[in-house]
Amino acid sequence: AQSVTQPDIHITVSEGASLELRCNYSYGATPYLFWYVQSPGQGLQLLLKYFSGDTLVQGIKGFEAEFKRSQSSFNLRKPSVHWSDAAEYFCAVGPRLTPLVFGKGTRLSVIA
Amino acid sequence: KAGVTQTPRYLIKTRGQQVTLSCSPISGHRSVSWYQQTPGQGLQFLFEYFSETQRNKGNFPGRFSGRQFSNSRSEMNVSTLELGDSALYLCASRKEASGANVLTFGAGSRLTVL
Repeated sequence: AQSVTQPDIHITVSEGASLELRCNYSYGATPYLFWYVQSPGQGLQLLLKYFSGDTLVQGIKGFEAEFKRSQSSFNLRKPSVHWSDAAEYFCAVGPRLTPLVFGKGTRLSVIA
Repeated sequence: KAGVTQTPRYLIKTRGQQVTLSCSPISGHRSVSWYQQTPGQGLQFLFEYFSETQRNKGNFPGRFSGRQFSNSRSEMNVSTLELGDSALYLCASRKEASGANVLTFGAGSRLTVL
């Protein structure tokens, strides 16, 4: 069965610092991987996705993620965090045309 | 273009009542999925509809049901509400022709059961 683990429930970073959010997945075949962001009271917005090809994918808002098959990981990174990045981040896995399985999320706080 | 629209955004019900939530997908998207989001369980898949047919179903009791209309709009219904049904219900649509599993989410319907 598919599963996603986001080991960090809550992370606090200073504005301007770099960020890495961890995601580990369990899936038997080549996964489709996603990162979504959710601001308070809102739905989920797609940041980036990986289907195949280059293992470093670029997304919106300056985010990137790297797929590492050997580690079953798909970590999200940003070189310099802005206060507006404070939100909850969800990693998800799912093959084509099947329901996505989401991790429990990582809440990001940004301090001045 | 317009995104995924969910109505109502907020609602309060009492135990034992039923509720119907509506979702209008992005124009041209024929697949609609529903997820329940709670602090304890996170995001859990409820069901997916495509061309008015339920294609996938999550592990929820029969009190949770849904349907899709010919214009791809979808509704979900929860009968005999329980306190534990309090959640954010998210709808997402997908354009099948894209060949990928990219879901676009609505803002959600926040249900509170008293």
